[in-house]
Amino acid sequence: DTGVSQDPRHKITKRGQNVTFRCDPISEHNRLYWYRQTLGQGPEFLTYFQNEAQLEKSRLLSDRFSAERPKGSFSTLEIQRTEQGDSAMYLCASSLGGSIVEQFFGPGTRLTVL
Amino acid sequence: KQEVTQIPAALSVPEGENLVLNCSFTDSAIYNLQWFRQDPGKGLTSLLLIQSSQREQTSGRLNASLDKSSGRSTLYIAASQPGDSATYLCAVRRDSSYKLIFGSGTRLLVRP
Repeated sequence: DTGVSQDPRHKITKRGQNVTFRCDPISEHNRLYWYRQTLGQGPEFLTYFQNEAQLEKSRLLSDRFSAERPKGSFSTLEIQRTEQGDSAMYLCASSLGGSIVEQFFGPGTRLTVL
Repeated sequence: KQEVTQIPAALSVPEGENLVLNCSFTDSAIYNLQWFRQDPGKGLTSLLLIQSSQREQTSGRLNASLDKSSGRSTLYIAASQPGDSATYLCAVRRDSSYKLIFGSGTRLLVRP
């Protein structure tokens, strides 16, 4: 499968714990995006990388959230001191460079904070 | 601030009907618009992307149109099938950013 992959697919954690998610983009896609989706809503943008540079961050990305893409390939999203309000689907997408920029999404990581 | 609205929020139709899903956006300064399909608990599948300079795009039984000046897009599904049942999301990308701004989606049920 050459699509965007995310790991884990599901994560259950207790409030206050730290969690880390991984995203592997489509090979040769130099842009990578993170979104968060709650039930019944459309995804909301969190952050975007071009290669290893984090170029845009949403105000939704509080101090407890950090994202990295150290070698311009896979990316990680870490949430520290999780809260129940962090429960959501975390989606990763990637796109080629250039002008068309069609985004392709992974299957998501479902986070449940108890 | 760009806002994206999708109407209706839910739609139930018998198999075989042609149907139209609507998407409106408040700021016409968009770079492109993408339509996605999402099955329950799954990620998003890209259906069609329309550049701001285009009026429509077609893929199989799907046709998406864009009227940038009025801030509207429609997704037309011909001869609907039960397998089309899913949530359909539209998203716009502004000129000044690479992020997508999504509507809340239309939940479609096609009854056999």
